Amino acid sequence: DIRMTQSPSTLSASVGDRVTITCRASQSISNLLAWYQQKPGKAPKLLIYKASNLDSGVPSRFSGSGSGTEFTLTISSLQPDDFASYYCQQYISHSECTFGQGTKLEIK
Amino acid sequence: EVQLLESGGGLVQPGGSLRLSCAASGFSFSSYAMSWVRQAPGKGPEWVSSMSGGGGTTNYADSVKGRFTISRDNSKNTLYLQMNSLRADDTAVYFCAKDRSVGAVADPFDYWGQGTLVTVSS
Repeated sequence: DIRMTQSPSTLSASVGDRVTITCRASQSISNLLAWYQQKPGKAPKLLIYKASNLDSGVPSRFSGSGSGTEFTLTISSLQPDDFASYYCQQYISHSECTFGQGTKLEIK
Repeated sequence: EVQLLESGGGLVQPGGSLRLSCAASGFSFSSYAMSWVRQAPGKGPEWVSSMSGGGGTTNYADSVKGRFTISRDNSKNTLYLQMNSLRADDTAVYFCAKDRSVGAVADPFDYWGQGTLVTVSS
């Protein structure tokens, strides 16, 4: 099984800050990596697919990069609505799809 | 507007069974692979099972293989998850989710339902 490891687990930041979350895969997944945002009591929301493509309607302050085993999600200027949990997901096939353990982005 | 609405969750004793349903609308249901994803309290999401648009291909996580069965009725735009031999560690919110693209070998999930809570406890 492919394991996805996110860091940090918790991130404290202020409105306007630039923040980066890292996701590492236990083996190469090419660019088959997605990022989701989740708020308490809600379903995850797709932000980025294929490592760097913004899903429809996602603000341009979100960006993703990486390939192989190392990936990053960057928020260029934090907005109040961005404080949430973030999860990476590898989707190399329909028979194997795993999520990271999550990063909770908190207000400093 | 794409909508996914799960139902069927509840409290069940260990060893019991439940059947979850996910009613879909707003897109060509039969064209898309659909999945069930669960999330235990305080944990990250865990993929459970997926089924191709036509229903011919199914996949399961090792943790549920042999106990859970995914199915779909494209005439009713509905996805199902039959869960048998339930265990305490199956306790979670269960979401249905739609693949982003038609016919992909694998794809992220661009729409999710609101989730239905399954609690396995005596």
